Amino acid sequence: DAGVTQSPTHLIKTRGQQVTLRCSPKSGHDTVSWYQQALGQGPQFIFQYYEEEERQRGNFPDRFSGHQFPNYSSELNVNALLLGDSALYLCASSLALAPGELFFGEGSRLTVL
Amino acid sequence: DAKTTQPNSMESNEEEPVHLPCNHSTISGTDYIHWYRQLPSQGPEYVIHGLTSNVNNRMASLAIAEDRKSSTLILHRATLRDAAVYYCIPSISNFGNEKLTFGTGTRLTIIP
Repeated sequence: DAGVTQSPTHLIKTRGQQVTLRCSPKSGHDTVSWYQQALGQGPQFIFQYYEEEERQRGNFPDRFSGHQFPNYSSELNVNALLLGDSALYLCASSLALAPGELFFGEGSRLTVL
Repeated sequence: DAKTTQPNSMESNEEEPVHLPCNHSTISGTDYIHWYRQLPSQGPEYVIHGLTSNVNNRMASLAIAEDRKSSTLILHRATLRDAAVYYCIPSISNFGNEKLTFGTGTRLTIIP
């Protein structure tokens, strides 16, 4: 059973560009959450998708947007990249309405130059 | 969100028990206490969670103080693979739609 998979694993962009990160949840999971982890910090919640809708959102600007597809996979889009957006972006999957832990992917490392 | 305080770092010898403390004095009476860990170059992974009583699983034990203002994660016999950053996270539920608020955690180093 494949766990949470994310792509790409690494990417480099320049300021002002746009980026799309992708996530496939663990089999059977219906909820995808995205986290940003700056170097030396703990992960920070960006938003969560369930039933193809954004259900919760953390303190991130509108430049961060997402999407969930009918097969529960998800994308994170970041527009107008800033240097400060350089971070590890983590996807976590879970079952929304059942007790259980979050399963995280290994992340996508974004560097903005 | 309840605020947590954890040591920045700890060291332990291999094959010895490790006690990782966490203070969460502002926790509400119904908050769960979750522990996740993050190994180098990996995403966080779930370790254990509890509400009021002590909990055990194959990875660790969680001891929760009677007043619930603190808890201790216990690794009974540390291995090199246990070297990671450990996060203590209070949350209002143990459901999968709960967002987790990570702090900076405790970096655990295992000495061979």
